[in-house]
Amino acid sequence: QKEVEQNSGPLSVPEGAIASLNCTYSDRGSQSFFWYRQYSGKSPELIMSIYSNGDKEDGRFTAQLNKASQYVSLLIRDSQPSDSATYLCAVRYTNAGKSTFGDGTTLTVKP
Amino acid sequence: NAGVTQTPKFQVLKTGQSMTLQCAQDMNHNSMYWYRQDPGMGLRLIYYSASEGTTDKGEVPNGYNVSRLNKREFSLRLESAAPSQTSVYFCASSESYNSPLHFGNGTRLTVT
Repeated sequence: QKEVEQNSGPLSVPEGAIASLNCTYSDRGSQSFFWYRQYSGKSPELIMSIYSNGDKEDGRFTAQLNKASQYVSLLIRDSQPSDSATYLCAVRYTNAGKSTFGDGTTLTVKP
Repeated sequence: NAGVTQTPKFQVLKTGQSMTLQCAQDMNHNSMYWYRQDPGMGLRLIYYSASEGTTDKGEVPNGYNVSRLNKREFSLRLESAAPSQTSVYFCASSESYNSPLHFGNGTRLTVT
C-alpha cells in the first residue's frame, strides 16, 4: 500500500462546475497536509496547506481534512480552464523532515 | 526574489558520465530537498537536508550523493549516470519541517 494515494484520473469537469480531488494517507502520525498544482512542464506550486481537522477556504479552493478517516480533499469551485493541471497531495509526518507525495490527479476543465 | 535556483535546466549525459546538479535558495530556509519526477508520477524524494550540516536518504537514494555546502546551497551528484536516472529533478526548500515546499524550475536530465 502506498503511503499517499490520490484518486486516479484523469478528471474532467465542465467550466463552472465543482472539481473534487481526494487523497488518503496511511500514517496516523501525519501532521501537515499540502496541495500543490503543477502545470505541464512546470514545477509544483503550493495551493493550500492544512494542519487541523475541518475545512480551510481560500478563494475558490477549499481543503478538507479528516484525520480519523485519514483523508484530505481539495474542492475547486467555479472551475476555470486555467485550473487544468495536475494536483499533487503531499503529507508530512510528525517530526519528519520530509514530505511524501501522491502520484497526482490530472484535472481538465472544459470550456 | 529569485527563490530556488537550479542549474542546469537541461542536460544530456552518456551512460557512465558524472555530473552535479546545483541548487541555491535565497529565502534563508533551513531545509532543502532533492526530488525526481518520472512521467505520470508524483515526486519521489532522493535526499534531503533538514538543516545545515545534515543530510538524510529519501525513498530513492541509490546512485546519488548530496552535499549541503552551506545554508543556501544543496547539490546533487550522479557519479555514474544510468538510463534509469533519466528524469526531471526538482530542488526544493522549506523554512521548517512543517512548512510547505518552494520548488526550483527543475532540471531535465536524459541519460543515453
